[in-house]
Parts: sequence; C-alpha cells; structure tokens
Amino acid sequence: AQSVTQLDSQVPVFEEAPVELRCNYSSSVSVYLFWYVQYPNQGLQLLLKYLSGSTLVKGINGFEAEFNKSQTSFHLRKPSVHISDTAEYFCAVTNSGNTPLVFGKGTRLSVIA
Amino acid sequence: EADIYQTPRYLVIGTGKKITLECSQTMGHDKMYWYQQDPGMELHLIHYSYGVNSTEKGDLSSESTVSRIRTEHFPLTLESARPSHTSQYLCASSAPSLNTEAFFGQGTRLTVV
Repeated sequence: AQSVTQLDSQVPVFEEAPVELRCNYSSSVSVYLFWYVQYPNQGLQLLLKYLSGSTLVKGINGFEAEFNKSQTSFHLRKPSVHISDTAEYFCAVTNSGNTPLVFGKGTRLSVIA
Repeated sequence: EADIYQTPRYLVIGTGKKITLECSQTMGHDKMYWYQQDPGMELHLIHYSYGVNSTEKGDLSSESTVSRIRTEHFPLTLESARPSHTSQYLCASSAPSLNTEAFFGQGTRLTVV
C-alpha cells in the first residue's frame, strides 16, 4: 500500500527566509505526486503536481518541488517566504488514476515576522 | 477555479441526531471522495465513488454511509451522531483521467455535543 511521510509536523521560519518541507513516499511503481496547501477553515488547494517529465516542478505562489526517484522524495521549497504562506501543507501520492490520493500527516508552516 | 460545494460549513448537533452532509460539484467529475480530517490535520479517506451507483469504503472505518444517485451529488449520512464523530469532513472530486488532481470543497466542521 502507498504511504507518504512528512518528516516535520511543524516548521517555523522567519519572513523572507527560504523553506523546505520534506516528503518521502513508498512505492515500487510509477507515482504521481502532489502538494496541497490548506489555509485556516478552508479546503485543500493544489500547489503543484508531478506526473512525468522534468523532475523540477513549479507551482503557484512561488513554490517548487523536486522529484527524486532514487531517494523516493518530493520536497517542497520556496526561496523567500511571506507571512501569507502560513498554512498547513500536505504531500499526496497515487500510482494510478483509479487509486485515491494518499496524504501525509501534514506540515504546519509558521512564518514569523 | 474548482466548483465543488459543501453544506453546511459548520454544524453543531446533539447526540443521536441523524445528519446529512451535502457535497455537490459542477465539473462533471466521475470520481468523488470523502475525507475526515483530525484536529491534528491528518486526512483519512472514509468513502469514495467512481461513478453513479458505485461507492466504496476508504481506509478509515467510518459509521457514516454515502450514496451516489447523481454524478454531481455525493452526500454523507450519519444515522446517529456521537461525540466521536466530531471532526472536519472534506469532499473532493477528480476527472476520469489517470493523473489528475483532486479538487476540494471548503469542508464541513461537525461538532456533536
């Protein structure tokens, strides 16, 4: 069965500093990977996705992620965070269109002024 | 922007009451999902459907039931609410293609007193 591990439950970072949110997945077959963001009292919004091709994926709000097959990782990065990036971030994986997304436990990003 | 709607957004209800959480989408998606989100953020799949008259249980055992009589509508019902059902419930849908992301509603926060 698929699983996703988000290694950090909380990440505090100062405004304008870079941030990396870590995600590792377990799968022996092709995977499709996603990062979602959740603001307070909201649903989840897609940040970016990796389906195939280039391993560096750019998303909305200046975020990007790199797919690393050998390390089974899909870490999310932003070079300079803003207060408005404070939210919960979820990594998710599926290995086919007929399998529902499996989510990690989430990482709470807190940006400090 | 995704068109998936959940009602109500917030619900406080007494123990033993029957409740139905509504979820509708206007995107014509075949696939729909219900996730339960813990206070600590983790999402658990409780039900999913890949089309009309098709429903499956997810990874997390739930006392709720679902129905899929129309493509656009995927309600979730609790016959007798209990305090242990207090949670946030997120509905999502996705297109039939093999590698598309799920679009989420804004969620229903349920409190059973």
